[in-house]
Amino acid sequence: QKEVEQNSGPLSVPEGAIASLNCTYSDRGSQSFFWYRQYSGKSPELIMSIYSNGDKEDGRFTAQLNKASQYVSLLIRDSQPSDSATYLCAVNNGGSEKLVFGKGTKLTVNP
Amino acid sequence: NAGVTQTPKFQVLKTGQSMTLQCAQDMNHNSMYWYRQDPGMGLRLIYYSASEGTTDKGEVPNGYNVSRLNKREFSLRLESAAPSQTSVYFCASSTGTLYGYTFGSGTRLTVV
Repeated sequence: QKEVEQNSGPLSVPEGAIASLNCTYSDRGSQSFFWYRQYSGKSPELIMSIYSNGDKEDGRFTAQLNKASQYVSLLIRDSQPSDSATYLCAVNNGGSEKLVFGKGTKLTVNP
Repeated sequence: NAGVTQTPKFQVLKTGQSMTLQCAQDMNHNSMYWYRQDPGMGLRLIYYSASEGTTDKGEVPNGYNVSRLNKREFSLRLESAAPSQTSVYFCASSTGTLYGYTFGSGTRLTVV
């Protein structure tokens, strides 16, 4: 079973700070990488996808991918209390559409 | 546009009872999935269907069966529920490797 590892957290940051979430994966054949946000009691919601090495920015979110190091990260700038949630890293299994999920990192943004 | 619809949202079963979780998507996606989510264990794949008429086992298939009734619908059946199947169940669908999944709202199942 291919593995995806995330810092278990919880991660606590003050409002306005940068939150940094990290993820490593074991399958070198993985091609697609995703970050999902899951509020308590809700379903996961896709917030970022990245396929190529480097950075991808979308508003306050930046995803970073380093395939050589098998490492994916998510930066949240100007963190808001509404960003408080569990963030799931997901990686496709080989070349398939199936995703393997990390166990998630719980983020709390303190006002 | 409803996306992925799961029913029921909540269910309590007695050990040994059976039930079917329903999932339907209206996005014309080929692939559909059933995951379970448990505290400390993350999302684990139970079964998936890459296209209408095909199903395959995931990481934790024991105690479950699935049916891909048509392109829209993918059901998950528990034939004889056990307390270990107490979990939150998510259905998801996807189209291609670049787009990730769209999840349903989940079914919270308790087996007593």
